[in-house]
Amino acid sequence: EIVMTQSPGTLSVSPGERATLSCRASQSVSSNLAWYQQKPGQPPRLLIFDASARATGIPARFSGSGSGTEFTLTITSLESEDFAVYFCQQYKNWPPTTFGQGTRLEIK
Amino acid sequence: QVQLQESGPGLVRPSGTLSLTCTVSGDSISSSNWWTWVRQPPGQGLEWIGEIYHTGDANYSPSLKSRVTISVDKSKNQFSLSLTSVTAADTAVYYCARGRPRLIFWGQGTLVTVSS
Repeated sequence: EIVMTQSPGTLSVSPGERATLSCRASQSVSSNLAWYQQKPGQPPRLLIFDASARATGIPARFSGSGSGTEFTLTITSLESEDFAVYFCQQYKNWPPTTFGQGTRLEIK
Repeated sequence: QVQLQESGPGLVRPSGTLSLTCTVSGDSISSSNWWTWVRQPPGQGLEWIGEIYHTGDANYSPSLKSRVTISVDKSKNQFSLSLTSVTAADTAVYYCARGRPRLIFWGQGTLVTVSS
């Protein structure tokens, strides 16, 4: 099973600043990686798939990069609604699929 | 608009069976999609449980495979989860979702607590 590790566990950033979240896979997943945003009491929302493609309706301030084992989610010019928990998901050779443990993005 | 809604008991006794149903609207369970269950223990990350296609083909998490069954009811446009021999470690919010690999449509989730 491919293990996904996210860092940091919690990230404190001021509104208007840039946030950079990392996700590492225990083995190569090529570009088979997605990012989700989750707010309290809500299901996850797909942001990025195939490592860098934005899902429908996702603002351009969200971008994904990376391939192989190292991935990054960047959120430029943070807005208040962006403070949430973010998960990465690998789907190489699905099934199974596995998720990272999450990064909590909080207001500094 | 595709909508999914989980339903089932919110409390299950230890060693019992957890049973949940996901009702789909806005799409046919017989469409070319996989239907998935994911769970999230309180304050923790997401765990994929398994998935099913309308033909009945199903795939399960290796760690849960011995205890999980996912089934589909095309007449009711529903799919269901059964998890046997539950313990406190199975306490979680259970989500149903559509898709593979992109999980775009999700239910709101239902909290299932395992406790005596």
